[in-house]
Amino acid sequence: QVHLEQWGAGLLKPSETLSLTCAVYGGSFSGYYWSWIRQTPGKGLEWIGEVIDRGTTTYNPSLRSRVTISVDTSKNQFSLRLTSVTAADTAVYSCARGGGVAARPGDYYYFLDVWGKGTSVTVSS
Amino acid sequence: DIQMTQSPSSLSASVGDRVTITCRASQRISDFLNWYQQKPGKAPKVLIYSASSLRPGVPSRFRGSGSGTDFSLTISNLQPEDFATYYCQQSYGTPRTFGPGTKVEIK
Repeated sequence: QVHLEQWGAGLLKPSETLSLTCAVYGGSFSGYYWSWIRQTPGKGLEWIGEVIDRGTTTYNPSLRSRVTISVDTSKNQFSLRLTSVTAADTAVYSCARGGGVAARPGDYYYFLDVWGKGTSVTVSS
Repeated sequence: DIQMTQSPSSLSASVGDRVTITCRASQRISDFLNWYQQKPGKAPKVLIYSASSLRPGVPSRFRGSGSGTDFSLTISNLQPEDFATYYCQQSYGTPRTFGPGTKVEIK
């Protein structure tokens, strides 16, 4: 049974860098989209970005200038860095596995099927 | 970005009721639409993908439908464990956007 364990600092000051890591246990690391999502009461669920095991990344354009998602396949881990945080970055950050089902030729139904427990991150001076 | 909207934002229902939640995409997304259920303090759980395909282990009282821009999630014979918040998510393109959620509460 695959599960994800995440960790990182939960209290940051404005302008600092958010850094979270997610470890994958109990399953294959290759062939999936390893993702970060954040959630706030005001903005709901926001997809931050994803990395595949070869290191290819895709980011939400709204965060692209500040975000880096990296992968360490030797440890089955992936990480999130978000620079220059502000109060608007206060949220619960979750890692998740993006998997899916191949359907029609060339089509792939992607969904997030395994999630970490989430880390509450507060940005405050 | 593809914008996702949901209605209603919340609803009250009783055990045994049938409820329907709608989700609309700002552009055509074929059937690249997922539905998630989230309970307080827990991570979202995917219920349906490709608009109407039930994930293994999800009860058959959950039904998804739609294509293009308009989608719906219907829960028949609402059970106590179904009271939660439901989100749609498009997987047609990136960023993989979510709807704002529909909270299903006990009447």
